[in-house]
Amino acid sequence: AQKITQTQPGMFVQEKEAVTLDCTYDTSDPSYGLFWYKQPSSGEMIFLIYQGSYDQQNATEGRYSLNFQKARKSANLVISASQLGDSAMYFCAMRTNSGGSNYKLTFGKGTLLTVNP
Amino acid sequence: GAVVSQHPSRVICKSGTSVKIECRSLDFQATTMFWYRQFPKQSLMLMATSNEGSKATYEQGVEKDKFLINHASLTLSTLTVTSAHPEDSSFYICSALWEAWDIQYFGAGTRLSVL
Repeated sequence: AQKITQTQPGMFVQEKEAVTLDCTYDTSDPSYGLFWYKQPSSGEMIFLIYQGSYDQQNATEGRYSLNFQKARKSANLVISASQLGDSAMYFCAMRTNSGGSNYKLTFGKGTLLTVNP
Repeated sequence: GAVVSQHPSRVICKSGTSVKIECRSLDFQATTMFWYRQFPKQSLMLMATSNEGSKATYEQGVEKDKFLINHASLTLSTLTVTSAHPEDSSFYICSALWEAWDIQYFGAGTRLSVL
């Protein structure tokens, strides 16, 4: 069974500083994808970044980077130069293709990030 | 990123009525869409996978007769909550799969309140 663990219910960071949100995963499938989504208080889910299990390099998208450590089964999100607008809930998710799962995502419980001015 | 539109954003209805929620992929075709439910301060719970031109696949414990899903075109999936009751009050959010990039793009969600 697939499982995503986010151990930080809440995180605080000062504006302009970097912050790391933790995510560990568990799967026996050799092919999988890891995603991070941002959910502001308005409720929409915003796609941030994707890492494939066979990707050799860590994914980056602007201020977002994914610290992918395959042996440790971790996929931490790093946000550089935090902004007040980064305050939101962040979800880590995993997609596996095994058993005809049809690209279903398994989500973690989320981390609530608060950026302080 | 791709755009997924979900409508309505908020609906209040009386107990016993049915409510239809639409999910549209605006700039790509989506053979597969997903419907989720989210309770306050919790993660997303997958309800069903919507497949264009075929029956939806429901997750265990989700009543298919209560939550009717129709995916009649490559850009539109609908979720109908039939005979809604107060316990159906929740935040419902859809996503559309952009297969070329293997990414689910989400709508803005619908907050359903059943009185």
